[in-house]
Amino acid sequence: AQSVTQLGSHVSVSEGALVLLRCNYSSSVPPYLFWYVQYPNQGLQLLLKYTSAATLVKGINGFEAEFKKSETSFHLTKPSAHMSDAAEYFCAVSELDDYKLSFGAGTTVTVRA
Amino acid sequence: SAVISQKPSRDICQRGTSLTIQCQVDSQVTMMFWYRQQPGQSLTLIATANQGSEATYESGFVIDKFPISRPNLTFSTLTVSNMSPEDSSIYLCSVEHPTGVDGYEQYFGPGTRLTVT
Repeated sequence: AQSVTQLGSHVSVSEGALVLLRCNYSSSVPPYLFWYVQYPNQGLQLLLKYTSAATLVKGINGFEAEFKKSETSFHLTKPSAHMSDAAEYFCAVSELDDYKLSFGAGTTVTVRA
Repeated sequence: SAVISQKPSRDICQRGTSLTIQCQVDSQVTMMFWYRQQPGQSLTLIATANQGSEATYESGFVIDKFPISRPNLTFSTLTVSNMSPEDSSIYLCSVEHPTGVDGYEQYFGPGTRLTVT
């Protein structure tokens, strides 16, 4: 079964600084990978996804992620943090022929003024 | 994309009772999913619900505890039966949305926040 590991349960950044959230997956075959964001008391919103096309994926709100097969990673970045980026971020993985998502533990991002 | 609504948005229930959560999507979808998010934790898949067939449950979840209905392509319900405080969680439904050669996306409802006292 697929699994993902998110390094760092909490990340604190200054407004305007780089946001880097780490995600590693376990699979011998590159799966589908997703990043979701969850704002307080809300559902999950899809930020971006990797589905075997371009390895550098651009998403909404200025986020992007790079798929690195050699490192089995799919780290999420944003060059300049905004106060509105404060939320919980989840990395998720699914098999190519299976729509079920396995989620990482999540990373809480706080943004300092 | 798909717009998903859930009812109720939150509820406080007494132990031993049951609660049925509704999930409505604004377009026809083949696969619907139910997830649980326990306090401060990540999401765990409960079951997959396809229209016209019985739901498929993940390890650790059983039909007697979490019966699911899927009467048509836009609607599903999840019942949390004989509740205990350990069932206090956010329950989310999601739908699979094919995007052609680019794979698929999965969209989530706003969740139902359940507290069992």
